[in-house]
Amino acid sequence: GENVGLHLPTLSVQEGDNSIINCAYSNSASDYFIWYKQESGKGPQFIIDIRSNMDKRQGQRVTVLLNKTVKHLSLQIAATQPGDSAVYFCAENKGTYKYIFGTGTRLKVLA
Amino acid sequence: EAQVTQNPRYLITVTGKKLTVTCSQNMNHEYMSWYRQDPGLGLRQIYYSMNVEVTDKGDVPEGYKVSRKEKRNFPLILESPSPNQTSLYFCASSLAGGNNEQFFGPGTRLTVL
Repeated sequence: GENVGLHLPTLSVQEGDNSIINCAYSNSASDYFIWYKQESGKGPQFIIDIRSNMDKRQGQRVTVLLNKTVKHLSLQIAATQPGDSAVYFCAENKGTYKYIFGTGTRLKVLA
Repeated sequence: EAQVTQNPRYLITVTGKKLTVTCSQNMNHEYMSWYRQDPGLGLRQIYYSMNVEVTDKGDVPEGYKVSRKEKRNFPLILESPSPNQTSLYFCASSLAGGNNEQFFGPGTRLTVL
């Protein structure tokens, strides 16, 4: 598959445990944030988003937390499964047509 | 099936030989964008288009051109490719720019020798 990141930080978690992936964003004016999942050999896939007027948003097995004070975003995955193994990265937008993406974290799920 | 398609998926070429990577979406999206992905750098935006005949530069536009003659297509043109354009390229589309989910294509692995 495609090697999208040779030097990515890696998070290894046991199957069934919860995973927390963190992201520091750069622009205090950003008002829309997205988490993407990228599996080997595939394009990024939308997981969940959050707008700056919210602190928390939940989806199916995933939760995104936004701390605007310290410009920090986190993705929590409940009951991590082998199919969750991928690279995860955040993106930010300030209501314009330009997006800024983080470099990503590789999640490895151990059986 | 709603999707973004790119062609070719893999391309090896030589310096200076003009090439085009096609991108097409079938979701009637207004916004389309091109990114390159390099190890350790994350996705970087090359060009984007807000609608037909409306395009603008992203963060790394040098050496690339785009056009948006039809809503569904957004080709990426490298007039004179150089080795530093060796990368993994992704096309994406969304309903509109700004606060909207982007749908990504499968990627094009380009190698310039």
